Amino acid sequence: TAGITQAPTSQILAAGRSMTLRCTQDMRHNAMYWYRQDLGLGLRLIHYSNTAGTTGKGEVPDGYSVSRANTDDFPLTLASAVPSQTSVYFCASSPISSSEQFFGPGTRLTVL
Amino acid sequence: GQNIDQPTEMTATEGAIVQINCTYQTSGFNGLFWYQQHAGEAPTFLSYNVLDGLEEKGRFSSFLSRSKGYSYLLLKELQMKDSASYLCAVRDGDYKLSFGAGTTVTVRA
Repeated sequence: TAGITQAPTSQILAAGRSMTLRCTQDMRHNAMYWYRQDLGLGLRLIHYSNTAGTTGKGEVPDGYSVSRANTDDFPLTLASAVPSQTSVYFCASSPISSSEQFFGPGTRLTVL
Repeated sequence: GQNIDQPTEMTATEGAIVQINCTYQTSGFNGLFWYQQHAGEAPTFLSYNVLDGLEEKGRFSSFLSRSKGYSYLLLKELQMKDSASYLCAVRDGDYKLSFGAGTTVTVRA
């Protein structure tokens, strides 16, 4: 079982360009999440989805959008990247929103 | 919102015990989690407390006092592989997690 996969592993992006970070889980978990992790700040929730077809905003949603067309996939899109979006992005999932979360391996994004 | 505080760094000797404290102020509380994160890797779940008291799981134990807004993670019989960051996370009434900045533990021989 792969668990949660994220792509790409790392990316360097020019400011102003768009980018979609991919996240796929094969555990049939209902809830999925996107976090960013910055030194000294810890993990911060960007967007979440409690079930397919629904999404919600987290603590730092500005500049990001998500969709949840099916159970397995939860892509995160940066419409016009800015240098402050340089971070490590983690996708996570849980069977239901009230249970523990399992994290993907992360995507390291650098915006220049 | 949530305000979660934990020490930035701790150092301990192999075989020793280390206690990582976490204090929180929340607008709603629905459980406290501890995660372990090795450098360059994803966080992995360690423990969960929703009621006051101690939860023990092998060499790791976690304690919660809801009235004091306080938790600790106790690591016993430290091993070199325990060198990692330990993240305290509080779940709110909407089941969303807020994380502390993490405590980096360095185990020395």
